[in-house]
Amino acid sequence: DTEVTQTPKHLVMGMTNKKSLKCEQHMGHRAMYWYKQKAKKPPELMFVYSYEKLSINESVPSRFSPECPNSSLLNLHLHALQPEDSALYLCASSQETGGKSGYEQYFGPGTRLTVT
Amino acid sequence: AQKITQTQPGMFVQEKEAVTLDCTYDTSDQSYGLFWYKQPSSGEMIFLIYQGSYDEQNATEGRYSLNFQKARKSANLVISASQLGDSAMYFCAMREFLAGNKLTFGGGTRVLVKP
Repeated sequence: DTEVTQTPKHLVMGMTNKKSLKCEQHMGHRAMYWYKQKAKKPPELMFVYSYEKLSINESVPSRFSPECPNSSLLNLHLHALQPEDSALYLCASSQETGGKSGYEQYFGPGTRLTVT
Repeated sequence: AQKITQTQPGMFVQEKEAVTLDCTYDTSDQSYGLFWYKQPSSGEMIFLIYQGSYDEQNATEGRYSLNFQKARKSANLVISASQLGDSAMYFCAMREFLAGNKLTFGGGTRVLVKP
C-alpha cells in the first residue's frame, strides 16, 4: 500500500462551523505533513508531525488545529475559518530513513475546502 | 530571498520532444535534497525524482532525469519523449536537512504538451 488517503474530497463550510480533515497512510511512515495550496501557487507547509509529535508549526493561525492520534492518522480540525482559508489542503507522509526512498513525500489527493 | 526559483511560468512542448524545466536553489547548507513533483489538474502531487547533494551521479527515473550542477546551484528536470499526459504543473523543491522535515517549493512551471 503506497497510498495516502484524504477525506473528504470536497468540503464547504460556513465561518461558524467546526469541521475536520482526515489523512491516513499505512506505509509505516514516521513523518506526516499538512500543506495549504492556493490556486496557481505552490504548496505552503503548515504543520509537520515527526514520530507522532508536532515538530514544525509554520505560524499557522489557531483556527487550524492539527492532531496525530497515531502513526497512521493525521487530522486537521477547523474552526471559525475565514473565506481566505479556502484552498486545497494536502496531506503528505515520508519514511525518514534516508536515501532516495527515505525523504520523498507521498501526497494525498487533497481536500478542496470552500469557506462561505 | 527565494530559496527555489523556477523562471519559466509556462511552456509548450511538442509531443515526443524533450523538455527542460529550470530550477535554481539557494542554500548555505552542505546537506540537502532536491525533488521534482508533478501536479496534474486533479490536484495530487506526484513525486518524480530526487537528487541528494552528495550524489555524484545525476538522478534518472524512466523518462525523467535531473541535470544537477552543484556549483551553479541548479537542478533542472529533463523530460524525454513528452507525452500528452505530461501536461501538468511541475514543482521543484528542496529540503535542507539541518532544518528538519521542511520542504520548500518553487513557484512551479506549467507544461502543456501539444499533439
